[in-house]
Amino acid sequence: SQTIHQWPATLVQPVGSPLSLECTVEGTSNPNLYWYRQAAGRGLQLLFYSVGIGQISSEVPQNLSASRPQDRQFILSSKKLLLSDSGFYLCAWSRQSNQPQHFGDGTRLSIL
Amino acid sequence: KNEVEQSPQNLTAQEGEFITINCSYSVGISALHWLQQHPGGGIVSLFMLSSGKKKHGRLIATINIQEKHSSLHITASHPRDSAVYICAVSPSPFYNTDKLIFGTGTRLQVFP
Repeated sequence: SQTIHQWPATLVQPVGSPLSLECTVEGTSNPNLYWYRQAAGRGLQLLFYSVGIGQISSEVPQNLSASRPQDRQFILSSKKLLLSDSGFYLCAWSRQSNQPQHFGDGTRLSIL
Repeated sequence: KNEVEQSPQNLTAQEGEFITINCSYSVGISALHWLQQHPGGGIVSLFMLSSGKKKHGRLIATINIQEKHSSLHITASHPRDSAVYICAVSPSPFYNTDKLIFGTGTRLQVFP
């Protein structure tokens, strides 16, 4: 069966520090991968998605970047965090577009 | 106006009650998703449907494509059903995007 792992579960970082959140999927190959952010009291917002290694689509211009160095690994990064980067970050995968998405447990990021 | 609207925003119920959550959308879609987000933040995909009705245990999802409306029903509600229920749509290929469009969610609390 397929599983998705996302870590860390919680993270507290100072403004201006770098960020690296990692997501890995097991039990499937060539999945679509997604990074979402959920700000407090807001709906889910798609940040990045990837249909293959090295292929990243950015949905929202921002302070963040994503990379897919391996087929089942998706990394969300920032060189310098802003206060507005606080939120709940979720990774998800699907077999193809227009297929159900399966979510990780999320990372709660607080910027001080 | 959001492209995906949910109602109500908040819902409280007594254990055993029949619950209905509504979702209306304004774009052409290829599929509609119902997701459940538990208090810890983790998200589970409940249903993906493009027509008719689907049932899983005490949960029933219906969609009316002509009216651009979907409902999620919970029969014999239980406190463990307490969560945020999120409606999301996959826009039709006409829109040339893989991006899901999310509603802001319905927060359900079921009291014993």
